[in-house]
Amino acid sequence: AQSVTQLDSQVPVFEEAPVELRCNYSSSVSVYLFWYVQYPNQGLQLLLKYLSGSTLVKGINGFEAEFNKSQTSFHLRKPSVHISDTAEYFCAALDNDMRFGAGTRLTVKP
Amino acid sequence: EAQVTQNPRYLITVTGKKLTVTCSQNMNHEYMSWYRQDPGLGLRQIYYSMNVEVTDKGDVPEGYKVSRKEKRNFPLILESPSPNQTSLYFCASRGRLAAYEQYFGPGTRLTVT
Repeated sequence: AQSVTQLDSQVPVFEEAPVELRCNYSSSVSVYLFWYVQYPNQGLQLLLKYLSGSTLVKGINGFEAEFNKSQTSFHLRKPSVHISDTAEYFCAALDNDMRFGAGTRLTVKP
Repeated sequence: EAQVTQNPRYLITVTGKKLTVTCSQNMNHEYMSWYRQDPGLGLRQIYYSMNVEVTDKGDVPEGYKVSRKEKRNFPLILESPSPNQTSLYFCASRGRLAAYEQYFGPGTRLTVT
């Protein structure tokens, strides 16, 4: 079965700094990869997804992620974060059904 | 508007009192799932359904039941709730193809005392 590991449970960063949230997945078959964001007291919203094609995927709010098959990684990046990016971020992988990582809490400080 | 709705949004109940959390989607999606979210554990799948009358266990099905009598509805039933089922619950749906993103409901915060 698919498993997803988010390597950092919490990432504090200052406003306007770059950030990378790390995600590794395990699979021996084709897999589809997703990043979701959960703002405080809200549901989950899709940031971006990788299905096939270009390994660099651009999403909403200036986020992007790179699919690396050899390292089985799908790290999320943003070159300059804002206070409003403070949220919990979930990496997910889909083969037969969708599996989520434990989440990374991104806190952007002024 | 395409959406997944859940009711109630908040519920406080006592141990052993049966409850149902409803979930409905208006996108004609085949797949529907229930997740629970707990701090440090992310989202764990409780049950999922690939279509009407087809359901299967996820990672943490103990203490829960589901049914899928209609395509749009996927209720979650707790026959005898216990305090360890205190959690934030999300219903989700998606179309048959992987290109279809999974849409989430707003969540139901359940407290069992």
